[in-house]
Amino acid sequence: DADVTQTPRNRITKTGKRIMLECSQTKGHDRMYWYRQDPGLGLRLIYYSFDVKDINKGEISDGYSVSRQAQAKFSLSLESAIPNQTALYFCATSDRDSLHEQYFGPGTRLTVT
Amino acid sequence: EDQVTQSPEALRLQEGESSSLNCSYTVSGLRGLFWYRQDPGKGPEFLFTLYSAGEEKEKERLKATLTKKESFLHITAPKPEDSATYLCAASDTGTASKLTFGTGTRLQVTL
Repeated sequence: DADVTQTPRNRITKTGKRIMLECSQTKGHDRMYWYRQDPGLGLRLIYYSFDVKDINKGEISDGYSVSRQAQAKFSLSLESAIPNQTALYFCATSDRDSLHEQYFGPGTRLTVT
Repeated sequence: EDQVTQSPEALRLQEGESSSLNCSYTVSGLRGLFWYRQDPGKGPEFLFTLYSAGEEKEKERLKATLTKKESFLHITAPKPEDSATYLCAASDTGTASKLTFGTGTRLQVTL
């Protein structure tokens, strides 16, 4: 079984709809991250969480919100989706001793029409 | 602002033809330089961390090196299964967990 899972894997939604992307991990890591990947722009950090009570904005948090429901679960929400949020979204985890050895999920391909 | 630039954007090699991928970085105090591999339809997979100039790490046909301004990923006698996009990322001493990623080098190894 995969250590980091993301649901859904693919989603098509319309402008203005609310959508939630979910991430679960079985690695026992404290730290979780949400990235988006766009062609030609690389991976960019949206939000990160050091533990259940510690959530931080990344470089492109506008238009997104997150919830850390438990150590193993970190959700990303788009309150009102817009077309330029069409992208590939990745969740990642790391433990406190190896911050940058991040383990990524398989990604969610989101299309906003 | 931290910047990471990778070149070339794409590289096509024949099996056994060695080459290097480049990652140049501009960060305000390098904390670490990281290499990841990404296969189509999958999330990035961690390969190496380099912390100081002169450091080298090896894994099978891959060797990563670091200078004060850039890192190289050397691929020796590549095989078709080495085909992937290779991502470089850097972190600075000012931010605990933030990685700045490059846009990647898409490597294709043919028979």
